[in-house]
Amino acid sequence: AQSVTQLDSHVSVSEGTPVLLRCNYSSSYSPSLFWYVQHPNKGLQLLLKYTSAATLVKGINGFEAEFKKSETSFHLTKPSAHMSDAAEYFCAAGYGNKLVFGAGTILRVKS
Amino acid sequence: EAGVTQFPSHSVIEKGQTVTLRCDPISGHDNLYWYRRVMGKEIKFLLHFVKESKQDESGMPNNRFLAERTGGTYSTLKVQPAELEDSGVYFCASSQGYGLAGHTDTQYFGPGTRLTVL
Repeated sequence: AQSVTQLDSHVSVSEGTPVLLRCNYSSSYSPSLFWYVQHPNKGLQLLLKYTSAATLVKGINGFEAEFKKSETSFHLTKPSAHMSDAAEYFCAAGYGNKLVFGAGTILRVKS
Repeated sequence: EAGVTQFPSHSVIEKGQTVTLRCDPISGHDNLYWYRRVMGKEIKFLLHFVKESKQDESGMPNNRFLAERTGGTYSTLKVQPAELEDSGVYFCASSQGYGLAGHTDTQYFGPGTRLTVL
């Protein structure tokens, strides 16, 4: 069965330090991969998308993700966290036109 | 350009009642999707419309859920009768449907409707 695993339910970082949110997917092929962010009382906002072009994908707000087929991973990173990055982040894999989501990672940014 | 809108933002109903959720996709998007997040769980796919036709309804939990998309514009999702386990956040998304062959279209999500069944 297709599945997406976000390895951490909560991540806490200090402002100005790097962010790493981990995501693994299961598939016999390379699906389209997405990261979305949800701020409190807001909808899901697309951060970035991988579709088999460059393996390093740059997104909005300084985020980027690297696709590693050998590890079936698509981890999200940012060099320096900002207070406004505090939110819940979702990794998703596209199978056909259906998205399969991970359980989400809540990012806390400490001042 | 307006994004995906959903109405209402919150709904509190009692078990056995009926609730109808509405989604207005981005103008010109032929594809419309419904997803649901039950408390503490993953966001799960419910169904996919292409224009007014149901392309995939494999995620619909049971026949208490009825989705429609009359005229290929807005969509409604009716729950009748509602049960306690139907509580959660219902998301709608839309996409153009002109993505690269073999790749999933970028889906743009609405803010969700939080449904509470008491």
